[in-house]
Amino acid sequence: ETGVTQSPTHLIKTRGQQVTLRCSSQSGHNTVSWYQQALGQGPQFIFQYYREEENGRGNFPPRFSGLQFPNYSSELNVNALELDDSALYLCASSYLTHTDTQYFGPGTRLTVL
Amino acid sequence: KNEVEQSPQNLTAQEGEFITINCSYSVGISALHWLQQHPGGGIVSLFMLSSGKKKHGRLIATINIQEKHSSLHITASHPRDSAVYICAVEGSEGGLTFGKGTHLIIQP
Repeated sequence: ETGVTQSPTHLIKTRGQQVTLRCSSQSGHNTVSWYQQALGQGPQFIFQYYREEENGRGNFPPRFSGLQFPNYSSELNVNALELDDSALYLCASSYLTHTDTQYFGPGTRLTVL
Repeated sequence: KNEVEQSPQNLTAQEGEFITINCSYSVGISALHWLQQHPGGGIVSLFMLSSGKKKHGRLIATINIQEKHSSLHITASHPRDSAVYICAVEGSEGGLTFGKGTHLIIQP
């Protein structure tokens, strides 16, 4: 148990729809990072938030956006869903933005039809 | 962009064997992480290294910053060690860059 939870566990959407995924970090963890893991691949960095501000971003388009709240929860929003967005979405929390142990949530499996 | 290479991609061994998984990266880093992922499961952090060597139970991780190389060792391997082991590095761009993982199966 890492103390990081994600909801929902599974989600099915159709192409063009919008989706919101949620993550609850460990208390006191100011940093949350989101990753996309396609089937059979390693996770890819989407973005990182630190104290409610975006602190770094991977190679993902602007339709991937996020929010972080003062209560250590965060959201990943994806607009205009595409079939290739089907993946496991992982969040990871830590106290520091760098050089700190990452605590991963169990992930949300998104299927886009 | 950092490239992270792991070897081997797949490894099957007998219970009790000494296991080594290797990781190489192409660009300077601030830290290297070894992670474990069970089938259908989440990812668990095993080690975070900036230099030298760390040990936790039967697991040992080493890093050579000059050679841009790290190894994860498992002593006295057990079937419950069967999982995917992932090397991931932190660079200046934020977030982790992951290797493709090593699928380890320990047979009784």
